Amino acid sequence: DTAVSQTPKYLVTQMGNDKSIKCEQNLGHDTMYWYKQDSKKFLKIMFSYNNKELIINETVPNRFSPKSPDKAHLNLHINSLELGDSAVYFCASRNVRDYFTDTQYFGPGTRLTVL
Amino acid sequence: GESVGLHLPTLSVQEGDNSIINCAYSNSASDYFIWYKQESGKGPQFIIDIRSNMDKRQGQRVTVLLNKTVKHLSLQIAATQPGDSAVYFCAENRGGDMRFGAGTRLTVKP
Repeated sequence: DTAVSQTPKYLVTQMGNDKSIKCEQNLGHDTMYWYKQDSKKFLKIMFSYNNKELIINETVPNRFSPKSPDKAHLNLHINSLELGDSAVYFCASRNVRDYFTDTQYFGPGTRLTVL
Repeated sequence: GESVGLHLPTLSVQEGDNSIINCAYSNSASDYFIWYKQESGKGPQFIIDIRSNMDKRQGQRVTVLLNKTVKHLSLQIAATQPGDSAVYFCAENRGGDMRFGAGTRLTVKP
């Protein structure tokens, strides 16, 4: 009964490859997010998305693209991977219509290593 | 033990002592704040939240204090236990999106 799940948990790949990370939430939330956490534990938001609007952090390279097949999924595609893309990527979800809490629920993370 | 916001990212305390983790936020318009706990190899987990119309909120062994005048947030953990060892993040709500602080690593010594 995992609330927010991500696959894979670990991803090791070569520079220049294209890869995807999947995220699913079973909380019925209407908004999902992708974060990048660097080696110093700093969490940086990359995207927020609901079925109406995609908000992109302007500092994110266009090699990164979120794709949402349905309301419960937000996958992250990365093209032409670079060494600097190595990090832990977290998916999160939230229900913006929940008046009582704006809490985001996080997945377990995907550790991406680019060689 | 006490940490000083973003400039002292580590805090080491003795088991049983109280811990205070501090956070400075930047946006005076932020109206909602959350503390998250991140254990090794896991995603951040919600601990406690507070809205800007409050200055204190208590949970089980945790208390969050909000000082809007100086834009400061703190997390107090009573009787710190080894299981409290983790990285703690404060986050502020800016227009619906959360912005996270740099985090403080709490280490509890037995």
